[in-house]
Amino acid sequence: NAGVMQNPRHLVRRRGQEARLRCSPVKGHSHVYWYRQLPEEGLKFMVYLQKENIIDESGMPKERFSAEFPKEGPSILRIQQVVRGDSAAYFCASSPSQEPTNEKLFFGSGTQLSVL
Amino acid sequence: AQSVTQLGSHVSVSEGALVLLRCNYSSSVPPYLFWYVQYPNQGLQLLLKYTSAATLVKGINGFEAEFKKSETSFHLTKPSAHMSDAAEYFCAVSHQGAQKLVFGQGTRLTINP
Repeated sequence: NAGVMQNPRHLVRRRGQEARLRCSPVKGHSHVYWYRQLPEEGLKFMVYLQKENIIDESGMPKERFSAEFPKEGPSILRIQQVVRGDSAAYFCASSPSQEPTNEKLFFGSGTQLSVL
Repeated sequence: AQSVTQLGSHVSVSEGALVLLRCNYSSSVPPYLFWYVQYPNQGLQLLLKYTSAATLVKGINGFEAEFKKSETSFHLTKPSAHMSDAAEYFCAVSHQGAQKLVFGQGTRLTINP
């Protein structure tokens, strides 16, 4: 979808392992958003980052979850010591700037995390 | 705080029939409202948006939605369903200056031949 690449598409982890989800935004986009979709629920905002800065992490669980968007390379969502409740689809979106009307907000295809 | 409720997690219509997907919102500030579509194994794609201009909004693929403040609704319609419309549809709300969307739980649309 307009160039937001997420990998892997599917990730299987055992309880207690670490999960690293990658998001390469559309070329030239410096704003990245992560959303989580639990089964039978809508997408829930997790975190909003600009290059090297976390702008809004109000939707991130307080423990085990972290996100970064370095100057070079993809944005990474890291989940430590995964539990079964972390099983969900994780979506990344990017935009070239602050985008109140969301016309230039593009979503990736998501990473489906399954915790055994 | 803002929230979105989509009535009906699954909707099934016949090809050529009217499509109506319901969305009600709650917002303490003037809302921006959106409909997104997700085809299998793809990311979300913006169908249409309302940002305080015309209350009847036309989007891609023949879809449109009407903002009704008195009913706090933003229902999505299409006069004649096509097989290619089968997908998951999400209603979302934000407001001016906000950088995050609040999504409904989604409605899966099935088109019967």
